Parts: sequence; structure tokens; C-alpha cells
Amino acid sequence: EAQVTQNPRYLITVTGKKLTVTCSQNMNHEYMSWYRQDPGLGLRQIYYSMNVEVTDKGDVPEGYKVSRKEKRNFPLILESPSPNQTSLYFCASSYTGSGAYEQYFGPGTRLTVT
Amino acid sequence: GIQVEQSPPDLILQEGANSTLRCNFSDSVNNLQWFHQNPWGQLINLFYIPSGTKQNGRLSATTVATERYSLLYISSSQTTDSGVYFCAVPRDGSGNTGKLIFGQGTTLQVKP
Repeated sequence: EAQVTQNPRYLITVTGKKLTVTCSQNMNHEYMSWYRQDPGLGLRQIYYSMNVEVTDKGDVPEGYKVSRKEKRNFPLILESPSPNQTSLYFCASSYTGSGAYEQYFGPGTRLTVT
Repeated sequence: GIQVEQSPPDLILQEGANSTLRCNFSDSVNNLQWFHQNPWGQLINLFYIPSGTKQNGRLSATTVATERYSLLYISSSQTTDSGVYFCAVPRDGSGNTGKLIFGQGTTLQVKP
């Protein structure tokens, strides 16, 4: 089954404790991206990657890191989480070939930073 | 940048009723997606519809790219249709970079 998976689905942590949210897709997509969703602010892009070893900032990259060492994986790293990073996070992927830009989203990760 | 507006922001229906949700966008795009976010927060792909009309069961969507809008039709609504409906378009219009701009969503509540 074609899918995007994220882990963990739920996480409660404390300020300053480094964490990683994993994202994996099995569709051989070149493009992967992270979004956060907050009430009243909608979905905003954090980082994206056009292919292996190619990453760039989205709209709200501060406080986050990413890496793309393999095509299927795109982890999101919070080196020192703060309460304002409490949010619902989504990973997404798509092809970048001509005319096929449909994005597929993972199930989401609810993060609470106390 | 491209602006995306959805209407109405909120909608309450009785089970069995039909509805139309609208998505307007401010610039030319060559792809558009509709999503349903269920009460558990999951984003479900409904349609990838750069232009024309598609149907999937009780749902259908129409995009008129030249007039910069898309419509999502829900017929014979069910309580499981409740949630938030988003449309999204490429930030750069073409989709080449993969960046999406989301509308603010329409929150639908279907009452039994």
C-alpha cells in the first residue's frame, strides 16, 4: 500500500530535550516536506527537500532541522524544543516529474512541549 | 504570492443534505488538491484536480482554472463527512517546487 508514515503519532516532551520525528514514504517520491498546523494559522511549511541531499527552508524553519540521506526518509529534528513548537506536524511527499504533483500526507504527529 | 480563499468558513448540515464548498485562488495554477481533515486530524486526499470535473462516490469536484476557482460538491451528506475541508494550490503556480498554499478551510458539521 502506497503511504507516508510518521512516528511517533503522539509525543509529550519537556523544553530543551532533543527529539526526532521520523517520516518515510514507499512511493519513490523525490519531493518531501514538513508542515505544522496551528489553530488560526492553518498549515505552514517548515522545510522541504527536492531530492536526496537537497533541502531548503519553508516559511517557518526556525528551531527545526532536517536531513535527506535516503530518498524514502525525511526526519524532522527539534534540537531544543520550546513550548511554541507545540503543534500538529505533517510530513508529505510527491513526485516532481512533469504533471504529477499530487501530494500525499502522513497521519500527523501531535507534539506537546511543556 | 498566491492567495487562497475558501467559503463558507463554517457549514452545518442535516444528514442527507447536499452542499457546495468553494475555493478561489488569486493567480494561475496548474494543479489543485482538495483534502478532508477528519476529527482525528488526519489529512485525506480527496481530489487532485487541475481542471475539469472528477467524481468519487458522493463527492465530486470541478476546477475552472481560467476563472480561478474550484468547487467541491458533497451529496447526501453523512455524519462521517464532518471535519475540515481544505483546498491547496502550488505556491509558485506551476507545482514544480512542490510547495503548497492551503486555504483556511471550511468546517463542516453533519448532524444526524
